[in-house]
Amino acid sequence: YVLTQPPSVSVAPGKTARISCGGNNIGGKSVHWYQQKPGQAPVMVVYDDSDRPSGLPERFSGSNSGHTATLTISRVEAGDEADYYCQVWDSSSDHYVFGTGTKVTVL
Amino acid sequence: QVQLVESGGGVVQPGKSLRLSCAASEFPFFAYAMHWVRQAPGKGLEWVAVISYDGSTEYYADSVKGRFTISRDNSKNTLYLQMYSLRGDDTAVYYCARDRGAAAGLGWFDPWGQGTLVTVSS
Repeated sequence: YVLTQPPSVSVAPGKTARISCGGNNIGGKSVHWYQQKPGQAPVMVVYDDSDRPSGLPERFSGSNSGHTATLTISRVEAGDEADYYCQVWDSSSDHYVFGTGTKVTVL
Repeated sequence: QVQLVESGGGVVQPGKSLRLSCAASEFPFFAYAMHWVRQAPGKGLEWVAVISYDGSTEYYADSVKGRFTISRDNSKNTLYLQMYSLRGDDTAVYYCARDRGAAAGLGWFDPWGQGTLVTVSS
């Protein structure tokens, strides 16, 4: 199972960033998202398509339908600059799968 | 605060073996499935292996199946990754991470340890 993300997304401060994650019928799976800043371990920012871990800003939200899941970052701040990965469980192969990753640059 | 601390990384020659450890604290380790995830230098995340809460179920990525073995000691709150026949493309930072629940499958990775670097080189 393959998850495809755009390599990069650029966004101005205060604007909205949308990161796509494409996969065959991904809408039928639970999608989780991770943020990884340089030199740091990943941190989960969205789970089960659209839920936020406690303590995460409401600016992070997610959606999932059809063949595309989307992570949306509203009112982008400089501190949101990072790599973002989507992830699913593929029951047909008993494998966990990560997306290819998207580098978000704040202009 | 939940804590995961990896150890055991280092430089190893191709074809050799290495064992990584992940010490868990501040949560009921015996109740959660646990993972290893790796990241090659400058590359994305790659899931490596998962073990269920009681060690009865293990799944592996195709790239490591037959060469790596995941295990756990619930009495020591420790997760292991035994790596055999190491290759250059196994060079990566190896992270341990907790799953959402007890079983392997349908889960996520939260939290993560800080990682330990494995370099396979002659």
